[in-house]
Amino acid sequence: NFMLTQPHSVSESPGKTVTISCAGSSGSIASNYVQWYQQRPGSAPTTVIYGNYERPSGVPDRFSGSIDSSSNSASLVISGLKTEDEADYYCQSYDSSNHNYVFGTGTKVTVL
Amino acid sequence: QLQLQESGPGLVKPSETLSLTCTVSGGSIISSSFYWGWIRQPPGKGLEWIGSIYYDGSTFYNPSLKSRVTISVDTSKNHFSLNLRSVTAADTAVYYCARVMAAVVGMDVWGQGTTVAVAS
Repeated sequence: NFMLTQPHSVSESPGKTVTISCAGSSGSIASNYVQWYQQRPGSAPTTVIYGNYERPSGVPDRFSGSIDSSSNSASLVISGLKTEDEADYYCQSYDSSNHNYVFGTGTKVTVL
Repeated sequence: QLQLQESGPGLVKPSETLSLTCTVSGGSIISSSFYWGWIRQPPGKGLEWIGSIYYDGSTFYNPSLKSRVTISVDTSKNHFSLNLRSVTAADTAVYYCARVMAAVVGMDVWGQGTTVAVAS
């Protein structure tokens, strides 16, 4: 089964940049779109990136997404870190072989 | 502005059926561009997709839950529902409904979630 693996946690100081990776277990991650969701403590997830790199309205351009076919991975970059960015982040894609939506393992971002 | 609201019992007994409804407001559930989905999150754990439905009733389920899950839609009431049969303590979770963008197969609008505990 297709799986998405993320680092358990990352931390950085305010104003700095963090990159969260999302590695596909098999096949080509570029075969289907990748989304990224932010989940603050005690709240529902919200979408920060869809379609690999598109931002929903209201999401600041400090958030950016990309795909790297050579490493079969996706990345979420958060620049100019703010304390409000402290949250869990999940990548998500689709496994066409069994019509299954797959979530990544999740990454906790701590803003020091 | 589109909003989704989950409703249903917060406590279900083991072996019984968990039933939740997601009411869509601020927009129609009838759309060729979107599916409607259920996702859950056990305490302290990550997100798990349960299944999705199109307004015409077409469904897609997580293979690991498929034998116990039924998702249905009522376009006249602008809502869709989840039934999960034969529940155990492992089904205790926060259950979210969400709108799914068909073009990218990903969620764009989420409900606030509802906590369901399975206990006797």
